[in-house]
Amino acid sequence: DAGVIQSPRHEVTEMGQEVTLRCKPISGHNSLFWYRQTMMRGLELLIYFNNNVPIDDSGMPEDRFSAKMPNASFSTLKIQPSEPRDSAVYFCASSFSGGGDRELFFGEGSRLTVL
Amino acid sequence: EDQVTQSPEALRLQEGESSSLNCSYTVSGLRGLFWYRQDPGKGPEFLFTLYSAGEEKEKERLKATLTKKESFLHITAPKPEDSATYLCAVRRRIQGAQKLVFGQGTRLTINP
Repeated sequence: DAGVIQSPRHEVTEMGQEVTLRCKPISGHNSLFWYRQTMMRGLELLIYFNNNVPIDDSGMPEDRFSAKMPNASFSTLKIQPSEPRDSAVYFCASSFSGGGDRELFFGEGSRLTVL
Repeated sequence: EDQVTQSPEALRLQEGESSSLNCSYTVSGLRGLFWYRQDPGKGPEFLFTLYSAGEEKEKERLKATLTKKESFLHITAPKPEDSATYLCAVRRRIQGAQKLVFGQGTRLTINP
């Protein structure tokens, strides 16, 4: 079974450039989460979707960040314009909210470096 | 505000030396405490979910326990392959969906 697929795995860009991170959740999962991980702040929840609808975006740092989920199998996280402080590993995770333990399944992450 | 505090930040053990990792939490309406393992360059991997005080779960050399204020991850006779960062997270339900809040993690190193 394919897990959560993220792309790109690594991105190096210059300050001011637009960055788009992509995520394909596990088929059948109806909740999708974007997390950011840094040494200083650990794993922080940025935004999550339930049935393709954004439920809580209170973790999005500022207006430079936006996320979309146009269908059940694809999501994007966009940063425009990017800044050096955005450098981090961005994880996408998915789960099925219909019952059971409902653990999150994480992708391998996208490591972003903004110069 | 939900808070999750893990200790110690880092722990070095010799192979076979048992120990415990701590996760203290404050959350309104706990709907599960999760343990994850994260290897360098990888995403977190699910280990356990605990729901109520007194509950215990085991997997190989790992055992997780839960009280009303904290959880412990006990590691018995660890091996070098147990080296990883162990993350604790608490979940509460918001508007029909789950929300996980993670601790900073404990970086565990097992020396052969």
